[in-house]
Amino acid sequence: NAGVTQTPKFQVLKTGQSMTLQCAQDMNHNSMYWYRQDPGMGLRLIYYSASEGTTDKGEVPNGYNVSRLNKREFSLRLESAAPSQTSVYFCASRDTNQPQHFGDGTRLSIL
Amino acid sequence: GEDVEQSLFLSVREGDSSVINCTYTDSSSTYLYWYKQEPGAGLQLLTYIFSNMDMKQDQRLTVLLNKKDKHLSLRIADTQTGDSAIYFCAEGASGGSYIPTFGRGTSLIVHP
Repeated sequence: NAGVTQTPKFQVLKTGQSMTLQCAQDMNHNSMYWYRQDPGMGLRLIYYSASEGTTDKGEVPNGYNVSRLNKREFSLRLESAAPSQTSVYFCASRDTNQPQHFGDGTRLSIL
Repeated sequence: GEDVEQSLFLSVREGDSSVINCTYTDSSSTYLYWYKQEPGAGLQLLTYIFSNMDMKQDQRLTVLLNKKDKHLSLRIADTQTGDSAIYFCAEGASGGSYIPTFGRGTSLIVHP
C-alpha cells in the first residue's frame, strides 16, 4: 500500500534551472496539496487541487506552477529556481471529510 | 482568518508523561488532528478527534478537546525516546475544498 509517493527524494539545482516535482497517490483521493516546510515556519501551502481539473493558489504560490494531470497525479514545477526556494516539499492528499495523508518529502537545495 | 498555535519545544524525561497543547480559532472546525514528524520523514497521522467529542484514547495517546476554550491537548503516557519528534496540531472542516490549518509544530525531546 504505497499511499502518497513523491519523486525525487533529493535534488540539487543551480539558480535559474527548472524542474518538476512529482506526486502520485493510489487512494483515489479527490484533493491534493503541495506544501513547503522551512525551519521555524511550519507547513506553508503552495497550491492545492480540490478535485481533478481544478487548481488554486495557497499561501505562497509565487515562483511555482502546478498541474493536476489526472486524479492520481499532482506535479509542482519550478520554472526558474531561486535560492529562496531551498526547502523540503511535501505532497498530501485527502478524501472529503478525512485527514490528509503525506508523502515522505522532496529535499531541494538551490545553489 | 484561521489560526492554530502551539508551543515550539517540550522536554521530558523518559518514562514521564508528555502533554502537548494547541489552541485554534476557527469555531467551524469539524476535525482536529495530531501528526508526528520524525527527522527526515513526512507527517504521519497519529490520531484525530471529531469536534463533538471531548476525549479520545488510543493506547498511550489521550486527546482532550475543550471546545469552549478552543484548546486541544495530546498526552503521551510513559514517553519513550522513540517519541522524540515534531508534533503538529491541525484543524479541518467538512467539504472537499476546505484547507486544513496546521500549527508550527512542537518539538518533543525525550531524554534519559
